[in-house]
Amino acid sequence: SYELTQPPSVSVSPGQTARITCSGDALPKQYAYWYQQKPGQAPVLVINTDTERPSGIPERFSGASSGTTVTLTISGVQAEDEADYYCQSADSSGTYVVFGGGTKLTVL
Amino acid sequence: EVQLVQSGAEVKKPGESLRISCKGSGYSLTSFWISWVRQVPGKGLEWMGRIDPGDSYTNYSPSFQGHVTISADKSISTAYLQWSSLQVSDTAMYYCARRYNSSWFDYWGQGTLVTVSS
Repeated sequence: SYELTQPPSVSVSPGQTARITCSGDALPKQYAYWYQQKPGQAPVLVINTDTERPSGIPERFSGASSGTTVTLTISGVQAEDEADYYCQSADSSGTYVVFGGGTKLTVL
Repeated sequence: EVQLVQSGAEVKKPGESLRISCKGSGYSLTSFWISWVRQVPGKGLEWMGRIDPGDSYTNYSPSFQGHVTISADKSISTAYLQWSSLQVSDTAMYYCARRYNSSWFDYWGQGTLVTVSS
């Protein structure tokens, strides 16, 4: 079955830049989306269609795509950004939704 | 305002059946697919399957096919996730989510915690 691969954890100091990658063979064909999930809360969309930031999401969140890897970048990380981040996409046929395993962002 | 409101937490024994619900408001349920997503405590998000409430067409992740059933009653704007025989391994938080134009999930329910224990 199709999988998206994320690093389990990323740690940065406040004000630094955090980069979280997501790799999958179908990413050149299928868009990727990014969600932020804080403890006890439902996920919240922070990036759609690889690079677009929904309204209400701070400008420090951005997305990029290159081949089989998409990247979520958080510039000037703040303490409130500490959370789990998940990428989401679909298999090459678009039939099945897939989530990455999640990355825990720790703000030191 | 678009909202997805899920039914409350459940505690069940292995082998019991269960149906949890997700009621949409602020939009027409038939306009967007509804998916169910599982999150085992301390683990990641897993897509279980989805339904088109307009025609009740479903498709399931191979990991969940045959173990759960997704349905909807458009007359009351509600989607359902049900089990005929729960297992301890079904203990998890379950979210419903609205999928925008076959792409991203733009609205999520608050989650329903299902605990299965003897």
